Amino acid sequence: QVHLQESGPGLVKPSETLSLTCNVSGGSISSNYWSWIRQSPGKGLEWIGYIHYSGNTNYNPSLKSRVTISIDTSKNQFSLKLNYVTAADTAVYYCARAFDYSSSFFDYWGQGTLVTVSS
Amino acid sequence: EIVVTQSPDSLSVSPGERVTLSCRASQNVYSNLAWYQQTPGQAPRLLIYGASTRATGIPARFSGSGSGTEFTLTISNLQSEDFAIYYCQQYNNWPRAWTFGQGTKVDFK
Repeated sequence: QVHLQESGPGLVKPSETLSLTCNVSGGSISSNYWSWIRQSPGKGLEWIGYIHYSGNTNYNPSLKSRVTISIDTSKNQFSLKLNYVTAADTAVYYCARAFDYSSSFFDYWGQGTLVTVSS
Repeated sequence: EIVVTQSPDSLSVSPGERVTLSCRASQNVYSNLAWYQQTPGQAPRLLIYGASTRATGIPARFSGSGSGTEFTLTISNLQSEDFAIYYCQQYNNWPRAWTFGQGTKVDFK
């Protein structure tokens, strides 16, 4: 059973960089596609981007200029950096596994971590 | 970007009833559509993928149908644990930018 766990600061100041890490256990990160998804308070779900163990990435066009997703296969974890945050980036951030390249539904999710952007 | 629109935004039902939720994509996504269930404070849970295939461990009262731009999730004999928000997600391979619907909330009548 694959398990994902997000970690990182719960409070980030405006204009700074949000950084989160997702630790993957119960399976190898050297397969599948690994994504970040967020959910603003009381709102729906927004896909942020994904990374493959090969290093191939793809980002939501609306966030592409501010997002970097990286992977560390030796630690079985992947990370999210979101630059120049504003209050609009306040959300619960989830990491999730996409099944494969052509069937990119999310079959495993982390529990989510709330990140608040405030001074 | 492919826009995904769900209807209705919410509906009130009683246990034992049958409910039908709709999801529409702004362009053809073939069968590249999934449904998720989210209860308060929890991460979404995969229910259906490929428009109609139930995920592992999902009860048979959940069924999905449709292809192209119109999709449906049906819950038969609604149980108390089914009161939740349901999201659909398209994962078409072009453009490769996945999007979710805004969700349909199913609550007690």
